Amino acid sequence: QKEVEQDPGPLSVPEGAIVSLNCTYSNSAFQYFMWYRQYSRKGPELLMYTYSSGNKEDGRFTAQVDKSSKYISLFIRDSQPSDSATYLCAMSVEGKLIFGQGTELSVKP
Amino acid sequence: DGGITQSPKYLFRKEGQNVTLSCEQNLNHDAMYWYRQDPGQGLRLIYYSQIVNDFQKGDIAEGYSVSREKKESFPLTVTSAQKNPTAFYLCASSYRGNEQYFGPGTRLTVT
Repeated sequence: QKEVEQDPGPLSVPEGAIVSLNCTYSNSAFQYFMWYRQYSRKGPELLMYTYSSGNKEDGRFTAQVDKSSKYISLFIRDSQPSDSATYLCAMSVEGKLIFGQGTELSVKP
Repeated sequence: DGGITQSPKYLFRKEGQNVTLSCEQNLNHDAMYWYRQDPGQGLRLIYYSQIVNDFQKGDIAEGYSVSREKKESFPLTVTSAQKNPTAFYLCASSYRGNEQYFGPGTRLTVT
């Protein structure tokens, strides 16, 4: 079993939809949780960063962490074609990041 | 402009040749990292360095070597011992070791 599991998709939604991206993990020692967005052939860009259970909002993006269930989610409201990218979850322990496989998202106009 | 630069963007080499990928940052970050990305496999850690003149192996260090002589620079050498070197290589840096910021990547093709 991988330490971090993420559905690779691809996920295709119409413009304006609410998108839910999810990761599960097995290591209770993970302390920090991140979401990255990666456009094709580019480096990942840090979107959201959190370290506690609960929700964190930033514009159209909400990151949710449930440490008791070992589950994190990223919600995108009012999705736009420019949100089409691969989304990677990442979790930190002792200064190292463990990444999920990434979910490829396509938002159709 | 603060950030991380990687060069070159594309690199082509013949099998059996060593090749060095450049990574420079002007964010004053202490920690730097090298990852490899293959389709459908996410990012895998090759080497990391938390301080100048010190570095540690990541999960897939075999066939790679690094140096950290300056805080700003963390070059990666892909040696001929690396069995499957063709991949997208990403460099990252971090101030506190958790939030990592990535460069644009180098796509290496070995034939």
